[in-house]
Amino acid sequence: GAVVSQHPSWVICKSGTSVKIECRSLDFQATTMFWYRQFPKQSLMLMATSNEGSKATYEQGVEKDKFLINHASLTLSTLTVTSAHPEDSSFYICSAGLAGIRYNEQFFGPGTRLTVL
Amino acid sequence: DAKTTQPPSMDCAEGRAANLPCNHSTISGNEYVYWYRQIHSQGPQYIIHGLKNNETNEMASLIITEDRKSSTLILPHATLRDTAVYYCIVSGGTSYGKLTFGQGTILTVHP
Repeated sequence: GAVVSQHPSWVICKSGTSVKIECRSLDFQATTMFWYRQFPKQSLMLMATSNEGSKATYEQGVEKDKFLINHASLTLSTLTVTSAHPEDSSFYICSAGLAGIRYNEQFFGPGTRLTVL
Repeated sequence: DAKTTQPPSMDCAEGRAANLPCNHSTISGNEYVYWYRQIHSQGPQYIIHGLKNNETNEMASLIITEDRKSSTLILPHATLRDTAVYYCIVSGGTSYGKLTFGQGTILTVHP
């Protein structure tokens, strides 16, 4: 089946630093990738939709200058949390949609747990 | 996308069928019903989806009522590893592939 990986699986950083999270589709090409954030005991919240070769579309309330998304190839999207603060500590999950087939069927990565001290 | 309503939690005995209900009374004609689950501290896992016919795969069965206003996910023989949060999501039409996650149902399978 379709596999999506994320790196790193967890990261601890100091306040004010930037953190990059990678999302890769390992065995298929994904024209669209999605980034979600999940706080403890809450559901997933979509942050942005990333299309290969174009700018990401951010959901309302998500700061695009703080959460930089790059989708440079059909198998890689990156999320950079710039100038991270403790309130950015969360579980970040990406997903990839199969190009041209059942667009709403998304395959999720294992998630990245970010802790900002 | 149409909103969904699920019970916050359910229990099931190991080996028995787990029936998880979902209401989606405002679903439109071109929207699908999707089920995902999330085991603690992992990414969600796709289970099954359907439009109007009942569907079955190696993981589960999906029963959609004739008026499409509700559905039931059936895990035929629940195991302890099926303990997870189960999300019922309605998506399609102009949502451009987005999945909107609600609070889901916490299913606990006990011995």
